[in-house]
Amino acid sequence: GAVVSQHPSWVICKSGTSVKIECRSLDFQATTMFWYRQFPKQSLMLMATSNEGSKATYEQGVEKDKFLINHASLTLSTLTVTSAHPEDSSFYICSARVGAETDTQYFGPGTRLTVL
Amino acid sequence: QKEVEQNSGPLSVPEGAIASLNCTYSDRGSQSFFWYRQYSGKSPELIMSIYSNGDKEDGRFTAQLNKASQYVSLLIRDSQPSDSATYLCAVNIAGNFNKFYFGSGTKLNVKP
Repeated sequence: GAVVSQHPSWVICKSGTSVKIECRSLDFQATTMFWYRQFPKQSLMLMATSNEGSKATYEQGVEKDKFLINHASLTLSTLTVTSAHPEDSSFYICSARVGAETDTQYFGPGTRLTVL
Repeated sequence: QKEVEQNSGPLSVPEGAIASLNCTYSDRGSQSFFWYRQYSGKSPELIMSIYSNGDKEDGRFTAQLNKASQYVSLLIRDSQPSDSATYLCAVNIAGNFNKFYFGSGTKLNVKP
């Protein structure tokens, strides 16, 4: 399957700081990437859909000014959590779709964010 | 009613047995169905996809789809302790190529 990487794998930050998470497709070009959040013992919740070269599409209830998404190239999408607070502590996972003709998504390894 | 429903489990089976995981969905227009496996603290990994009614086999895994009953299942034959994980069912949203609903997952324990 296609390989998606994320960096960092975990991060601890102080309340009020901003954190950037990178998502890369390693062996394919991803025109569309997705950002999910998963709280303990819950399922994945889609936060936003990221399209290369255009603005991200955010799901209802997700603050676009707080979760900044940039998909500057066909292999890189970034999620910046601005002014993070303890309630933003979660497991953030990106995924990428391989090609425009398939809807299969491959997930990155995830980033565990802890905000103190 | 949730868009995708799964029994949270845990489902316990002895090693070598068949594990049967079930998922129902509410959007009758859904066309794509996926099973992912998620180990604790890790991200989901794709097991298989299914698009047509009937069975689809891949190694020890068989996905079954019944669109009329809005039901999709995953059978794991010869279950191994390494299969112990949470299994997530994902169903696409009708008319939207990108978006999926994920079930809350079924935790499977395979006992040696």
